[in-house]
Amino acid sequence: AQSVTQLDSQVPVFEEAPVELRCNYSSSVSVYLFWYVQYPNQGLQLLLKYLSGSTLVESINGFEAEFNKSQTSFHLRKPSVHISDTAEYFCAVSDRYNQGGKLIFGQGTELSVKP
Amino acid sequence: ETGVTQSPTHLIKTRGQQVTLRCSSQSGHNTVSWYQQALGQGPQFIFQYYREEENGRGNFPPRFSGLQFPNYSSELNVNALELDDSALYLCASSSTGGGPNTEAFFGQGTRLTVV
Repeated sequence: AQSVTQLDSQVPVFEEAPVELRCNYSSSVSVYLFWYVQYPNQGLQLLLKYLSGSTLVESINGFEAEFNKSQTSFHLRKPSVHISDTAEYFCAVSDRYNQGGKLIFGQGTELSVKP
Repeated sequence: ETGVTQSPTHLIKTRGQQVTLRCSSQSGHNTVSWYQQALGQGPQFIFQYYREEENGRGNFPPRFSGLQFPNYSSELNVNALELDDSALYLCASSSTGGGPNTEAFFGQGTRLTVV
């Protein structure tokens, strides 16, 4: 079984400041790792994913996440946030060997960017 | 290319009633997954349908059931509604059996309130 823990429920930051949203996971098998973003009154959108290869993955809007196997972490970072980054962010894992593609989500981190 | 659409967007039901939620998958996708997102929580996997068959189920009671149709659209049915069933219900579609490395595209969700 897998579980995901997002260590911060709310992260307030000022515009143009750096931010890190923390995610730790627990699994007895190898997993794929994902970050999803949910804007108010919308569904989830995939932000980035780690499947294999380089442990550092990037999104098109400046976010990056690094897979750390020894620490079982997949923290999300952005060097300079914008007001438009205000949203709920979810870390998720899926079992590499489960063809069903079931996603296990963390409880979410609310990122609030202030001017 | 049309995205994932869900209907209705909101509804209110009385405890004990039955409800049907609908999802149209993205064009070209043959797999639909359903998730329940309670207020302030991350989404929880209910079940997945692939080629009209259930292909994995989360920890939800049998009163949560589903269907997938030949056009790959799907329904989620909940019988004997309880107050704790109040949540945002998300549908996600993907292709080729929804394997663990396949991107899932989410709809905007149906907000169900049970009173």
